[in-house]
Amino acid sequence: QQQVKQSPQSLIVQKGGISIINCAYENTAFDYFPWYQQFPGKGPALLIAIRPDVSEKKEGRFTISFNKSAKQFSLHIMDSQPGDSATYFCAASMGNGNKLVFGAGTILRVKS
Amino acid sequence: GAVVSQHPSWVICKSGTSVKIECRSLDFQATTMFWYRQFPKQSLMLMATSNEGSKATYEQGVEKDKFLINHASLTLSTLTVTSAHPEDSSFYICSARDLAGGMATQYFGPGTRLTVL
Repeated sequence: QQQVKQSPQSLIVQKGGISIINCAYENTAFDYFPWYQQFPGKGPALLIAIRPDVSEKKEGRFTISFNKSAKQFSLHIMDSQPGDSATYFCAASMGNGNKLVFGAGTILRVKS
Repeated sequence: GAVVSQHPSWVICKSGTSVKIECRSLDFQATTMFWYRQFPKQSLMLMATSNEGSKATYEQGVEKDKFLINHASLTLSTLTVTSAHPEDSSFYICSARDLAGGMATQYFGPGTRLTVL
């Protein structure tokens, strides 16, 4: 019940396309859902995060869609660029800044 | 965003020695920091939660006597890998919790690559 399931495991998108990564959770006590971007040999960097009281949040080319009833949330990267090629992790936590449960990660490759 | 640093960025040591990794929040105070371990092409595995001024809380299966955590100030937490062995070789990443703006956010350090020979 503590798991966050992430898909796909890897994704190849053409430059300018839309990258979509999905996550699903079981624990309805989760109330904070961030997305992190990680480049090889680096620590994860926070991209965008959402709480369950909103269904969508957009920051630049990155959008989180949240479906509370389905217990799913997704990351959309618009106008994907080669520089977006990285590993993306979704995560979830309960309470204010408590420990994060991470998805397995998605390796994104944007072809130029 | 808030900045978290780690030192060293990489370390190579001999089997049986101890290695200390520092995690610092540079522009905010962090009462709580977290330590993760990451194997190649895998997700982050939480090892322990470090609270300033108190004992760390370790996740199930993590040996607290092997991975010593100290959080002596609001900007510094340390992880010491004691009597390191080759199986301890990994990428260790810390994060610090920033409570600014009323929404707690975890910011991650750049990671430390540990290689035990």
